[in-house]
Amino acid sequence: DAGVTQSPTHLIKTRGQQVTLRCSPKSGHDTVSWYQQALGQGPQFIFQYYEEEERQRGNFPDRFSGHQFPNYSSELNVNALLLGDSALYLCASSPWDRGQGYGYTFGSGTRLTVV
Amino acid sequence: DQQVKQNSPSLSVQEGRISILNCDYTNSMFDYFLWYKKYPAEGPTFLISISSIKDKNEDGRFTVFLNKSAKHLSLHIVPSQPGDSAVYFCAASATGGFKTIFGAGTRLFVKA
Repeated sequence: DAGVTQSPTHLIKTRGQQVTLRCSPKSGHDTVSWYQQALGQGPQFIFQYYEEEERQRGNFPDRFSGHQFPNYSSELNVNALLLGDSALYLCASSPWDRGQGYGYTFGSGTRLTVV
Repeated sequence: DQQVKQNSPSLSVQEGRISILNCDYTNSMFDYFLWYKKYPAEGPTFLISISSIKDKNEDGRFTVFLNKSAKHLSLHIVPSQPGDSAVYFCAASATGGFKTIFGAGTRLFVKA
């Protein structure tokens, strides 16, 4: 049973460019959350998608946007990249009707480096 | 505003002994707390959770204790094994909220 799949695994972009990261959730999961993990820090919530809608958003600027497709897969788009956007981007999936104690299933992440 | 704090960046323990990882939180609305383990080059893996109506939850070698009055929780690993060496994240969520808030993590080293 495949878990959460993220692509690409590594990416190098130049300041000002745009990037798209992709995520396929675990089979049976319909909710996708995106997190940014900077070096030495814990994952920071970006936003969550369910039924192709953004359900909640963290403290990230509008340069960060997302999309969820009918097959529950999701994309994270970042425009006008800044050096500070360099981080590990984690996708997490879960069932929408999960209990609060049901943990996320995370992918291995996409390492984005902005130069 | 760090709502979930893990004040110890690292912890070193001898194999077979107890590992105790601590976590503090500030938001009284949190009613579920979770621990995740992360190995290098992998995403975090869910370990164990506890509801705010409980003060202890146990799963094999892992036990989480919750002290609501102190807004403090801890993860006990007994006995510790070298394979437990990883970064451990404490996380919290509130009923009705969609996001889970993570601490900065504690790196555990278990020496053989």
